[in-house]
Amino acid sequence: EDQVTQSPEALRLQEGESSSLNCSYTVSGLRGLFWYRQDPGKGPEFLFTLYSAGEEKEKERLKATLTKKESFLHITAPKPEDSATYLCAVQAVGSEKLVFGKGTKLTVNP
Amino acid sequence: GAVVSQHPSWVICKSGTSVKIECRSLDFQATTMFWYRQFPKQSLMLMATSNEGSKATYEQGVEKDKFLINHASLTLSTLTVTSAHPEDSSFYICSARGGQTQHFGDGTRLSIL
Repeated sequence: EDQVTQSPEALRLQEGESSSLNCSYTVSGLRGLFWYRQDPGKGPEFLFTLYSAGEEKEKERLKATLTKKESFLHITAPKPEDSATYLCAVQAVGSEKLVFGKGTKLTVNP
Repeated sequence: GAVVSQHPSWVICKSGTSVKIECRSLDFQATTMFWYRQFPKQSLMLMATSNEGSKATYEQGVEKDKFLINHASLTLSTLTVTSAHPEDSSFYICSARGGQTQHFGDGTRLSIL
C-alpha cells in the first residue's frame, strides 16, 4: 500500500530562520511526487512536481528535492506569509490517485 | 491559469437533508475530477474519481449511494450527499486534472445538525 509520512507535524520558525520539511514515502512505482501549500479553510495550492530521484525545483524561497525514499522542502529565509500547512502527495505509475501525508504546519513568527 | 471553483464554500443543514456541491474548472477542460474529504489534522482522503460522461469510481469504504457524483460536462462535476447525518460533517474538496497536475478548489465546509 502506498504511504506518505511527513515530519515534523508542526514547525515554528523565526523570520529568516531556514529549515527543511521531510516527506518519506513508499510507493509501488513513482509516477510523481507533489508538494502543495494549504491555508486554513482553503484547498491545496500546487507548488511542485518531482518525477525522479535527484530532481530539484525552486520557487522563490522554496526548494524541493527528491530521493528514492524521501523528499525535502527547503525553506530559505522564510517570511510570515510562508505560514501554512505543506502537504506532500505521491502518485503511483498507472494510477490517477494522489496519496497525501498529513502535512506539516509551518508557523513563521515576525 | 488552472482555476477550480467550488460552491458553496460553507453549508449548514438539518440531518436527513441532501446537499449538492459543485466543482467547476474555470479556464481549462477536465476529463477527470476528484472528490476528497478532509477531517481536522488528517490527510486528504480520496473519495471518488469522476470521469466525464461515465460513472464515478469510488474508493473502498465510500458508499456510492450516499455520495452521488455526476460529471456531465468537461467543466463541471457535482457531489450530492444524500440523507446527510452528523457523521458526514467534514471538509469536502474537489480537484480537476489539468495536464499531469491536480488543481484544487477551496473546499466546502459541511455541517450537519
